[in-house]
Amino acid sequence: DIVMTQSPLSLSVTPGESASISCRSSQSLVHSNEHYYLDWYLQKPGQPPQLLISLTSTRAPGIPDRFSGSGSDRNFTLKISRVEAEDVGVYYCMQGIQSPHTFGPGTRVDLK
Amino acid sequence: QVQLVQSGAEVKKPGSSVKVSCKTSGDTFTKYGITWVRQAPGQGLEWMGGIIPTLGKTTVAQSLQGRVTITADELTATVYMELNSLRFEDMAIYYCARATFGMEIYPSHYYYYLDVWGRGTTVTVSS
Repeated sequence: DIVMTQSPLSLSVTPGESASISCRSSQSLVHSNEHYYLDWYLQKPGQPPQLLISLTSTRAPGIPDRFSGSGSDRNFTLKISRVEAEDVGVYYCMQGIQSPHTFGPGTRVDLK
Repeated sequence: QVQLVQSGAEVKKPGSSVKVSCKTSGDTFTKYGITWVRQAPGQGLEWMGGIIPTLGKTTVAQSLQGRVTITADELTATVYMELNSLRFEDMAIYYCARATFGMEIYPSHYYYYLDVWGRGTTVTVSS
């Protein structure tokens, strides 16, 4: 199985500042068509997860452009610019290139 | 608005079985897949498996094979996840999620993302 790691595991951010979360996979997430099969999900307190970004960098409908994803091969980054109170929660990356799909351990983001 | 409505909380004894339902709406049953993800108390997310309802094709995580059965009922547009031989470590919130398919990665293996989630079903295992 592909192992996903994230760093940091916890992040405290001042509202209005930016935050960056790293996700690394134990195997490459690219296939011959050069897509990187990495998604990001946010689980707000007491809620189910929600899709933020698919295929490394495509924001889901309704997700503000403060969220951006990038990366390649085995290293990926989620950046949140101008963090707001509603961004608090746990962020998970998930690989979708191979079954079983596997999640990272999550990065907890809260406000200073 | 597309929704996935899950069945209510369950309390089960070790060794017993639980069957969680996920009722779909709109064209979810006919055009998408359904994936099951669970979350133990205070823990992260674990992918369990999924089904393409119209094909009846299922995939289950190897760690759960032999204990998990995922089925779909066309008449009620409902997907079910049954977990047998319950253990204390199976205590978790069980989520169903809609899988929207993208490109084929390998023959018969398609990329998908999970864009609609149910509210979750809490399964408590207690003696």
